[in-house]
Amino acid sequence: GQSLEQPSEVTAVEGAIVQINCTYQTSGFYGLSWYQQHDGGAPTFLSYNALDGLEETGRFSSFLSRSDSYGYLLLQELQMKDSASYFCAVRDWGGTASKLTFGTGTRLQVTL
Amino acid sequence: DAGVIQSPRHEVTEMGQEVTLRCKPISGHNSLFWYRQTMMRGLELLIYFNNNVPIDDSGMPEDRFSAKMPNASFSTLKIQPSEPRDSAVYFCASSLSGDDQETQYFGPGTRLLVL
Repeated sequence: GQSLEQPSEVTAVEGAIVQINCTYQTSGFYGLSWYQQHDGGAPTFLSYNALDGLEETGRFSSFLSRSDSYGYLLLQELQMKDSASYFCAVRDWGGTASKLTFGTGTRLQVTL
Repeated sequence: DAGVIQSPRHEVTEMGQEVTLRCKPISGHNSLFWYRQTMMRGLELLIYFNNNVPIDDSGMPEDRFSAKMPNASFSTLKIQPSEPRDSAVYFCASSLSGDDQETQYFGPGTRLLVL
């Protein structure tokens, strides 16, 4: 089975940098994804790491260490619109197709 | 592209009634996923299909839940009979299997309330 752990809540000030950590235990692993979900909305894809290291996409970066079963999402130059829930998700193989198992989510509150 | 389409967007029903949720995946995608999201249990994968074939339904909570995908452009999730504990947001998502990241694209969700 899969299990993922991430903090339930994080608060940060506008313009600051915040890091959301994710640790996982999995029987199979192809990569780690990050999704953003605003209140009342649907999850939307942010980033994906299949290999160790840092992936950068604008203000957002994601890091993976496969040996440590650990990853994080880094949000820079925080804006009020970044207030949302952030989910890490492990991608594994389901036989003929891959699937995602989501963590419980981290609620980010950006304040002035 | 219109994205993943789900209907209805909201559903209020009484316990014991049958509920049918519908999903149209993004054209060309060959994997389809049904999720349920609640405050207590988070985002749970119920079942997923690849090329219209169910691959893993281990997340389906009970026999009251069933899902079908008769063709590449349509899927249904049915709850019969519905119970108050089924109240949740149900998301459908689709992806292109074999794509490097296999990004899943979510529909807007169906907010189900069972009284």
